[in-house]
Amino acid sequence: DAGVIQSPRHEVTEMGQEVTLRCKPISGHNSLFWYRQTMMRGLELLIYFNNNVPIDDSGMPEDRFSAKMPNASFSTLKIQPSEPRDSAVYFCASRRTGVGTGELFFGEGSRLTVL
Amino acid sequence: AQTVTQSQPEMSVQEAETVTLSCTYDTSESDYYLFWYKQPPSRQMILVIRQEAYKQQNATENRFSVNFQKAAKSFSLKISDSQLGDAAMYFCAYRVYGGSQGNLIFGKGTKLSVKP
Repeated sequence: DAGVIQSPRHEVTEMGQEVTLRCKPISGHNSLFWYRQTMMRGLELLIYFNNNVPIDDSGMPEDRFSAKMPNASFSTLKIQPSEPRDSAVYFCASRRTGVGTGELFFGEGSRLTVL
Repeated sequence: AQTVTQSQPEMSVQEAETVTLSCTYDTSESDYYLFWYKQPPSRQMILVIRQEAYKQQNATENRFSVNFQKAAKSFSLKISDSQLGDAAMYFCAYRVYGGSQGNLIFGKGTKLSVKP
């Protein structure tokens, strides 16, 4: 079975540009999570969805960040306008609620560099 | 608020030896799950082992085992017969049982080096 698929793997952009990160969760998983990883702050939850509905977006840094999940098989995280401090690795993860211990399955991450 | 603390930023072990990574957490919940994830240089987060808080028996997965001390809120990972491929960042994570909270709370990680 395919795992969580993220794109792009690497993105280099200039300050002020719009960035869109994409995620395809594992088929059958109904919860999706966006995490950001930096050296200073470690892994931080940005937002998560349950059945395509945002449940907790308290980790979204500011209005420049937005996330959508238009259907069960696709999600985007958008940063507009981007700033150098947004440079990080962004992970998408998914799980199926009510099954097992609820561990998350992660994608390979998108490394964002904002110059 | 729940927190997860990994007090060892870096650890080193000789190949074939045993190493223990520490993790403590803070929660007022009685039912929860604990996890150890491995992140090799490829960046992929890989689940190593999981533990349900209601189970007294420590989880084991081949060379990986945990020492779960619920009263002390401690959850250490022991890696036996260390291999070069075990070199990675290791993250301890917590999730409350049930409810709508599905996210994992992670520690800052421990970087493990394995010496040949």
